[in-house]
Amino acid sequence: QKEVEQNSGPLSVPEGAIASLNCTYSDRGSQSFFWYRQYSGKSPELIMSIYSNGDKEDGRFTAQLNKASQYVSLLIRDSQPSDSATYLCAVPRGGFQKLVFGTGTRLLVSP
Amino acid sequence: EAQVTQNPRYLITVTGKKLTVTCSQNMNHEYMSWYRQDPGLGLRQIYYSMNVEVTDKGDVPEGYKVSRKEKRNFPLILESPSPNQTSLYFCASSYRDLREQFFGPGTRLTVL
Repeated sequence: QKEVEQNSGPLSVPEGAIASLNCTYSDRGSQSFFWYRQYSGKSPELIMSIYSNGDKEDGRFTAQLNKASQYVSLLIRDSQPSDSATYLCAVPRGGFQKLVFGTGTRLLVSP
Repeated sequence: EAQVTQNPRYLITVTGKKLTVTCSQNMNHEYMSWYRQDPGLGLRQIYYSMNVEVTDKGDVPEGYKVSRKEKRNFPLILESPSPNQTSLYFCASSYRDLREQFFGPGTRLTVL
């Protein structure tokens, strides 16, 4: 089992809809999680971090962590074509020194 | 402007010819890291550094070397590149640990 797993997609949603991106992880001891966005041909950029169970909201983005089920989700409300990108889930290992990424989910938002 | 810079951005080389990819940040960050990105495998960590003269292996360190003699610079050295090191390389930095990393623009390396 991979440490961090994501569906590669593409996930296609119409403009204005809610996009739901999921990530599962294998280490029950994981405490923190990060979501990065990567536009085609660009470098990853951090959009959300979550350190505790439950939801964390930042503008149109909501990160949801469910430790019991070992998954973390990213919801994007009112999706825009500019949200079309690959979303990478990442989990630290060894404190905050090593980082393990999932392979990413490609999101396509159609006008 | 706060940034992480990498040079070169593109490089085509031949097997066995030593090369260095430079990484520099102007944010006084302590933590720096190198990743490679390959289709289907995602981003994988090569090496990281918690501060000057402190470096450690990530998940795929074989065939790579790093050094951290100055806080702002973290070069990646391939002493004898092989075709399986053809990849897109990213350098990243953050204030103290990996929690808020800023990524450089990437270096696309092709080893023939």
